[in-house]
Amino acid sequence: ETGVTQTPRHLVMGMTNKKSLKCEQHLGHNAMYWYKQSAKKPLELMFVYSLEERVENNSVPSRFSPECPNSSHLFLHLHTLQPEDSALYLCASSQEWGASYEQYFGPGTRLTVT
Amino acid sequence: GEDVEQSLFLSVREGDSSVINCTYTDSSSTYLYWYKQEPGAGLQLLTYIFSNMDMKQDQRLTVLLNKKDKHLSLRIADTQTGDSAIYFCAETPNTGGFKTIFGAGTRLFVKA
Repeated sequence: ETGVTQTPRHLVMGMTNKKSLKCEQHLGHNAMYWYKQSAKKPLELMFVYSLEERVENNSVPSRFSPECPNSSHLFLHLHTLQPEDSALYLCASSQEWGASYEQYFGPGTRLTVT
Repeated sequence: GEDVEQSLFLSVREGDSSVINCTYTDSSSTYLYWYKQEPGAGLQLLTYIFSNMDMKQDQRLTVLLNKKDKHLSLRIADTQTGDSAIYFCAETPNTGGFKTIFGAGTRLFVKA
């Protein structure tokens, strides 16, 4: 399998549930990212990991908790979410963390919070 | 502040040229990008331009950068129905952290 994969592709959860989004990259990259894509709004960077260390935390509420156990895997743990958290969550990776490195995106997880 | 703005929709006829425009606010940006997102897929880098360039051409794609006006455009020549997608403009300010700022995306409709 190649590229950046994300599971699940669709998720419906209640506000009291706990769930996790998974991202895996098979590109040998050292940097991984979580983005939130809401309708008609700019893509919002949530977290950046470089060499398994968090290097960016873009004022994201604590109900979103990232985890990067190794350079190939990235998780986003979700708990007590709000309906406004419904969005497409995109994972991306790049060879290194830096401006000149192209980001490769996964297909996203469509999250609906009821 | 950091802001990237682009119009939300563009509709063109097949065979015509499409021009998608974008304005950004951070004059320190070193890299500016155009990403394409097809339905059900993640973003894919189409092309990028360094801030010391005015123009970059890649087959049917032409990127124009006006640094004075902080304006970036993407021209797609001979637009095809397969070009229908959302196009995101993005910049990476040279303010440390290498954070890429994305616009809201322009949805391109190509009519046969």
